[in-house]
Formats: sequence, structure tokens, C-alpha cells
Amino acid sequence: DAGVIQSPRHEVTEMGQEVTLRCKPISGHDYLFWYRQTMMRGLELLIYFNNNVPIDDSGMPEDRFSAKMPNASFSTLKIQPSEPRDSAVYFCASSPGQGYGYTFGSGTRLTVV
Amino acid sequence: ILNVEQSPQSLHVQEGDSTNFTCSFPSSNFYALHWYRWETAKSPEALFVMTLNGDEKKKGRISATLNTKEGYSYLYIKGSQPEDSATYLCALGTGANNLFFGTGTRLTVIP
Repeated sequence: DAGVIQSPRHEVTEMGQEVTLRCKPISGHDYLFWYRQTMMRGLELLIYFNNNVPIDDSGMPEDRFSAKMPNASFSTLKIQPSEPRDSAVYFCASSPGQGYGYTFGSGTRLTVV
Repeated sequence: ILNVEQSPQSLHVQEGDSTNFTCSFPSSNFYALHWYRWETAKSPEALFVMTLNGDEKKKGRISATLNTKEGYSYLYIKGSQPEDSATYLCALGTGANNLFFGTGTRLTVIP
């Protein structure tokens, strides 16, 4: 298995533009998580899915952020419109279930200028 | 949001020294305690998942203990090597299978 695959690795965009981050979890993992890493807060959970259904999106900063998981092998995190304070590394992770460790993707480094 | 605290924030040790660091968490919310190793420019990798009070896990020179009643876990590294240099994260798992991460202990092993 290739692990959790995220794209793009790096994204530089202008303020106000729409940004879409993509994630392919490990096949057979029922849980998918989106985290944001910042210097101030470390790893923050944004949203997670169980069997493609969003379970908890209380970490999503505001309405500009949305996430979807249309099928078991694909998820997107969208920011529209983007702002400079959204600049961070966004990680996707998947897990088979409770009691198992997470497998993280390599992250997307987002810079909004 | 649950408060998971790690100490120290950073640590420098000489090659060959043994070291340990602490993760503390609210015991009332405990379901599982995870440890991850995070090398610079890479993504976090799972080391241990611990669920039982008194659990002790070991992987090579790295081991971890867990006390769920008092809400802490220790990670030990025996005979530190330069390749052990990384940030070590602990995370508290609740019954909902989401994790709340601490901010990590950044370990530097000096050759």
C-alpha cells in the first residue's frame, strides 16, 4: 500500500482564491481525519469521517472551510475564499478504527499571500 | 478540546544517554493514549497505542508506560542515537476515535 496520499505537496495562492486539498486514505481504513499544523497550536483536528460520513466538524474554523468524502478512497478539504491566516500545513490521516494508530499523509503546505 | 500536556518542550542529550519525557492528560476522558514520532520534513509515525492502565509497550530501545488513574504516560529512550532526533507527540483518544494531540517534545541527540 502506498500509504495516505495527499496532493498537492505545496500550494501558494493569493488571498481570496479557492483552494482544494486532496487525500486518498489507505484502503480498508474506515476513518479519515483532517488536521492543521500551526506553530501556535500544534496539530488541530478540523474534521473527521467514519465510513465517508462526517462525524465531527467542530474544529473547522469557519464557513470558509468545507470538507467532503464522496467515497471511501477520496476526500477533499476546500477553503473559499482563502486568507493569509489559513497558511499552515494540512495533514490527512486514516485509521482502521479505535485502538489503532493513525497513518498520516505527507501533508500539504499552504501559503496564502 | 482536551488539554494534553507534554514536558519538557525540548531536550538535548548526548549520544548514548537514556532519556524520558512525560505526557499528562485528563484521566476522566481516557480511552487510549497514542505516541507518535515526527521527524523534520516528514509526517508523524505511530509508535504505540496504549489502552490499559499499567500498559507497557516496547519497540527496540523505545518504551512507554501508562497510568490512566493519574493521567500520565512516560516515553523512554535507552541509549539515544542521533537518528532518534525528532519530535515525540502524545495524543489522547476519546471514545469517539478522534485524537487530541499535545504540542510535543523536541528531542535532539548530539553525536
